[in-house]
Amino acid sequence: GQQVKQSSPSLTVQEGGILILNCDYENDMFDYFAWYKKYPDNSPTLLISVRSNVDKREDGRFTVFLNKSGKHFSLHITASQPEDTAVYLCAAGRNNNNRIFFGDGTQLVVKP
Amino acid sequence: NAGVIQTPRHKVTGKGQEATLWCEPISGHSAVFWYRQTIVQGLEFLTYFRNQAPIDDSGMPKERFSAQMPNQSHSTLKIQSTQPQDSAVYLCASRVGGGDEQYFGPGTRLTVL
Repeated sequence: GQQVKQSSPSLTVQEGGILILNCDYENDMFDYFAWYKKYPDNSPTLLISVRSNVDKREDGRFTVFLNKSGKHFSLHITASQPEDTAVYLCAAGRNNNNRIFFGDGTQLVVKP
Repeated sequence: NAGVIQTPRHKVTGKGQEATLWCEPISGHSAVFWYRQTIVQGLEFLTYFRNQAPIDDSGMPKERFSAQMPNQSHSTLKIQSTQPQDSAVYLCASRVGGGDEQYFGPGTRLTVL
């Protein structure tokens, strides 16, 4: 089965709004959680990541929340901008295990 | 730092021909990953190497696909007897040993006619 799942294939919001992208994972041994951003015709790049020893990490307008008991993590984006329009891929894996598992992605559209 | 280098950027083959895709990881990175990206399937894991050794090839199609890493500076993905359904963007990524972030290359867009 799929190790990491994103339930929403797409999301459209108005500029300036707050949005939440969600990700569920299967393996409760995972201890690394990340969000990658992908523009059309470009490769994914790391946006933000967090280890399992914390339940929140903030970087500017982007915050990752981790709910280990629920095997769920989310990306919150505040003051959304049209430049945030991209595909967001969540990823999770185990420390010292080099493979990380990616979700299918959520296409975010921020309308001006 | 040039990042992960992939060549060629675009490749067009006829059905039944062989395609070889090249990846040069970031210097010092000991883990190399191959993915296939399509609109329908999204990002699919194919295989990865650590310190040049194959670790997990569970995503590789059992026939026609093979990957090697003969030295620390490059890896190849070979597709024999290419089929139209092999058309995709093939991404290579590398990672520092023990690190988390994967750095992706620009990809090779393979088109099989």
